[in-house]
Amino acid sequence: GNSVTQMEGPVTLSEEAFLTINCTYTATGYPSLFWYVQYPGEGLQLLLKATKADDKGSNKGFEATYRKETTSFHLEKGSVQVSDSAVYFCALPAGGTSYGKLTFGQGTILTVHP
Amino acid sequence: GAGVSQTPSNKVTEKGKYVELRCDPISGHTALYWYRQSLGQGPEFLIYFQGTGAADDSGLPNDRFFAVRPEGSVSTLKIQRTERGDSAVYLCASSSLGSTDTQYFGPGTRLTVL
Repeated sequence: GNSVTQMEGPVTLSEEAFLTINCTYTATGYPSLFWYVQYPGEGLQLLLKATKADDKGSNKGFEATYRKETTSFHLEKGSVQVSDSAVYFCALPAGGTSYGKLTFGQGTILTVHP
Repeated sequence: GAGVSQTPSNKVTEKGKYVELRCDPISGHTALYWYRQSLGQGPEFLIYFQGTGAADDSGLPNDRFFAVRPEGSVSTLKIQRTERGDSAVYLCASSSLGSTDTQYFGPGTRLTVL
C-alpha cells in the first residue's frame, strides 16, 4: 500500500521565520495528498490538500505542492506566528483495496516563540 | 453546520471492563472512519463504514474490538475486556463520498485503561 515519511521534529522557530516540514510519499498512481493540523487540545483539522500532480494546496498562509518527480509534498509558510504552534501530519489514501483509509506520517511538532 | 462529535471526551476504565465510544458524523455523510492515535504517533486506521456496512475492518487489532453503525449515521466503537495497551485517543471522521473525499475529524475520545 501507499506510505508517507514525514520530517522528524520537533521544530522550534521564532515568530516570522520561514517554515518547511518535509513529507515524501510512496504511492501507486497519483492519489490526493493532505496536510492535517492538530492544535493543542483540539482535534485534527484539514489544513490543505492537493488532488493531482503539480497542484498547489494553500490555506492560512501555508502551501504545499504535489511534486511527482520527487514524490514530495513539503509544507511551507513564509512567516510563522505563535498561533501556528501545533502538530502537523502529512497523509494520503492507503491505496489498493483500502477504500478511503488514510495513512498518516508520525507528525511534526512545531513550536513558535515570540 | 455542526461538525463530527464524539462522546465521551474522556473515559477512564479499569482493565477488563467493557467500553463504548460514540461518534456522530456530519449530517449526510455516508462514510465514517475510526482511527486510533497513540501518544506521539499519527492516527492509525481501525475501520471504515460506507452506509451501515463495514467496508474495511482490516485495522481492528483483535476480536475485542467491534464497531456498528446500524442506521447509517451514528457509530459506536465497542471494546471488550479492555487492556492497558488500549489506552489512546480514538478518533472518528466522516466524509460525504467515501474513498476520494476529504475526511473531517471529531475531537476524539481519550481512553485510559488503568
